[in-house]
Amino acid sequence: KQEVTQIPAALSVPEGENLVLNCSFTDSAIYNLQWFRQDPGKGLTSLLLIQSSQREQTSGRLNASLDKSSGRSTLYIAASQPGDSATYLCAVRGQYSGAGSYQLTFGKGTKLSVIP
Amino acid sequence: KAGVTQTPRYLIKTRGQQVTLSCSPISGHRSVSWYQQTPGQGLQFLFEYFSETQRNKGNFPGRFSGRQFSNSRSEMNVSTLELGDSALYLCASSPGGVAVLYEQYFGPGTRLTVT
Repeated sequence: KQEVTQIPAALSVPEGENLVLNCSFTDSAIYNLQWFRQDPGKGLTSLLLIQSSQREQTSGRLNASLDKSSGRSTLYIAASQPGDSATYLCAVRGQYSGAGSYQLTFGKGTKLSVIP
Repeated sequence: KAGVTQTPRYLIKTRGQQVTLSCSPISGHRSVSWYQQTPGQGLQFLFEYFSETQRNKGNFPGRFSGRQFSNSRSEMNVSTLELGDSALYLCASSPGGVAVLYEQYFGPGTRLTVT
């Protein structure tokens, strides 16, 4: 059974700092990995999707890397801003469940606070 | 393009009642998945529908059920509500087909409180 772990559970940084969020997974047989952002009481916003054949993806100040063989992904946020404060979740797609469906398994997230 | 919409946004129900939640996917998306999110368990997969057929189901009791209509809109139903069903219920859509390749787009969720 796939397990996804995100460390740390919470992180507080001063504005302007670069930071890295970590995600690890137990089964390396994944098809892709997706990073999401969730604001309090809200739904999830997709940030980046990395296919298993890719090593990294970039969007603006965000860069996500994937090392499938070691079961790790990192989300790098450059020049953090107070508006980046949210919970960041990673989810891995793997484990064929039949009928063309592949299970998406989530970590419990890292709650980021960027202090002005 | 409009995003995923969920109705209602908030619900308060009494233990023992039943509830129906609705999700409208992004136009053209054929796959709809449902998740339950609680502080203790995080995000847990409920079920996935594609072209009106349930093609995957998580480890939830039979009180949780769903369906998908020909226009891809989906509903989920919870019967005989329990206090532990209080959660944020999230719906996600993707283009479908080989779902593994696509991003999931989430709606804002329905906050269900059972008293």
